[in-house]
Amino acid sequence: GENVEQHPSTLSVQEGDSAVIKCTYSDSASNYFPWYKQELGKRPQLIIDIRSNVGEKKDQRIAVTLNKTAKHFSLHITETQPEDSAVYFCAATPLSGYSTLTFGKGTMLLVSP
Amino acid sequence: NAGVTQTPKFQVLKTGQSMTLQCAQDMNHNSMYWYRQDPGMGLRLIYYSASEGTTDKGEVPNGYNVSRLNKREFSLRLESAAPSQTSVYFCASSERGPLSYNEQFFGPGTRLTVL
Repeated sequence: GENVEQHPSTLSVQEGDSAVIKCTYSDSASNYFPWYKQELGKRPQLIIDIRSNVGEKKDQRIAVTLNKTAKHFSLHITETQPEDSAVYFCAATPLSGYSTLTFGKGTMLLVSP
Repeated sequence: NAGVTQTPKFQVLKTGQSMTLQCAQDMNHNSMYWYRQDPGMGLRLIYYSASEGTTDKGEVPNGYNVSRLNKREFSLRLESAAPSQTSVYFCASSERGPLSYNEQFFGPGTRLTVL
């Protein structure tokens, strides 16, 4: 089955800095890679996703890049703000039938004012 | 639209007790999922139901059973609770079906403590 590794487990930045979270996956058949944000005590929510036919996708201050050859993908947050503080999860899935998401263990991002 | 709802929000059980966690969605989604979240372990899939009438094991199914009661509702049962089942449980739903990879929508979670 799929295995997703996520690094770092914690990340502290100053407000205005950039933050990068990296994930690797094992199943070369995986072709959908979403990122979820979970604020303290809240439910996970999708913030951005990327499909294997795209190398990069941007949405305002967040972007995701994908390198299928190396089997890794990354989340980039620019101009970080205190409200970006949360746990971020990457996930991967091969698109075959009713395949399910495999999540990384999460990265706790702390943005200090 | 309430989205995905879960009951109860909190529960304390003694070892050996049983309970059922309820989940319902009003988005007409085909697929529903149960996850557990433990510190440092991410979200681990317990069981899922790809469509009404089907259920399948996920990564950590031992000690749990599920029922897809209808298209809206998907329950998770602990027959004999153990301290290792202390966790936060999330239900989720999605439109996903063959050859689609739609967003999963999560419920607010149930925080379960087994003493």
